[in-house]
Amino acid sequence: EVQLVESGGGLVQPGGSLRLSCAASGFTFSSYWMSWVRQAPGKGLEWVANIKQDGSEKYYVDSVKGRFTISRDNAKNSLYLQMNSLRAEDTAVYYCASYRCSGGSCYSDYWGQGTLVTVSS
Amino acid sequence: SSELTQDPAVSVALGQTVRITCQGDSLRSYYASWYQQKPGQAPVLVIYGKNNRPSGIPDRFSGSSSGNTASLTITGAQAEDEADYYCNSRDSSGNHLGVVFGGGTKLTVL
Repeated sequence: EVQLVESGGGLVQPGGSLRLSCAASGFTFSSYWMSWVRQAPGKGLEWVANIKQDGSEKYYVDSVKGRFTISRDNAKNSLYLQMNSLRAEDTAVYYCASYRCSGGSCYSDYWGQGTLVTVSS
Repeated sequence: SSELTQDPAVSVALGQTVRITCQGDSLRSYYASWYQQKPGQAPVLVIYGKNNRPSGIPDRFSGSSSGNTASLTITGAQAEDEADYYCNSRDSSGNHLGVVFGGGTKLTVL
């Protein structure tokens, strides 16, 4: 059974930092691009970042560039999101998801249950 | 970056057919994928590629595309299909390996 389990969310003050983790099991983690996707309370889904299988390529939404860093450890089947200089607008549930492209389509077939990040004083 | 536009809300009578649409320039280059999200739950992939359903997704869900518009069709909507639906695709702008999501469509089954 495929599982993605996020952890590390919580309450943090504006300007603070947080590191999210995602533990993967049930599939060959090292063969997949991976993503972080977030959802602010009552809002839609927003892609945050992607990372290639070997970590050599990383892409970010403009609003987090320079503040967030996506990384992975294939030996530990784990994905990470280091979040610095947090702002109130970063408050959201953060999902870890697989990401792959084939046949002219890119999609996320595996999703975690999410971890809530709240940025507030 | 690219944008994908969805109607905020759509309703359908139980057992009838409903189409949910998604518009954006990136859809001229890439197929959309579609996700179902129920309250308090993670998104679930329901359609990807030209018209592919992951294992376990009922065949009443189908996808199509024309020009800059992608559509998700539910033929014979069931009560359990009431949910938010999101389209996404690869970002066809400068951030070419980024991803863009539509704003979501809330489907109500009457």
